[in-house]
Amino acid sequence: DAKTTQPPSMDCAEGRAANLPCNHSTISGNEYVYWYRQIHSQGPQYIIHGLKNNETNEMASLIITEDRKSSTLILPHATLRDTAVYYCIVRAGGGGADGLTFGKGTHLIIQP
Amino acid sequence: DAGITQSPRHKVTETGTPVTLRCHQTENHRYMYWYRQDPGHGLRLIHYSYGVKDTDKGEVSDGYSVSRSKTEDFLLTLESATSSQTSVYFCAISERGTGVNYGYTFGSGTRLTVV
Repeated sequence: DAKTTQPPSMDCAEGRAANLPCNHSTISGNEYVYWYRQIHSQGPQYIIHGLKNNETNEMASLIITEDRKSSTLILPHATLRDTAVYYCIVRAGGGGADGLTFGKGTHLIIQP
Repeated sequence: DAGITQSPRHKVTETGTPVTLRCHQTENHRYMYWYRQDPGHGLRLIHYSYGVKDTDKGEVSDGYSVSRSKTEDFLLTLESATSSQTSVYFCAISERGTGVNYGYTFGSGTRLTVV
């Protein structure tokens, strides 16, 4: 699986859009970009994933650059409950059963 | 989390005693995983299962064993608990090994303290 790089922490004002970047410059053609988040003391929660097209669901939007070397997770109207550690994970779509590899992630703090 | 339950939620045990953690799912997913999470290390995979009686080691499997005798249950056993195994343990399930279409669903965790 390709390595990802995320800033260790970010702040965002409540009600504003939170934009979380992720670099994955060694991503290969069959690898997807996944985003998970972990709210304090809870298990990680799936947010969204994509291959090359931008994706949107009820939680967030995922913007992947044309060269696929970086992506941005967008929480359109951040609330205090969005304070969490956000993990960007790259994994092959046809990969094996051996789970996800988590890095350190970005600690997003939503300020009131 | 819906469809996946870990037990116990909290446990304190003494060094040298055996401990078994249970992960139970009602989703009939084929793949199940055990992770541990420690400060400074993030989530690390201990063992995983890709079917009944089919298991394999993850990144940090030393000192742990697992069993899966039926689809819905995945047990993690510490044969002789040590203080270094004090951690928060998370179970996860996936419909497919890649999790491409369904993602991974995590349990609420078991906080284990070995004294």
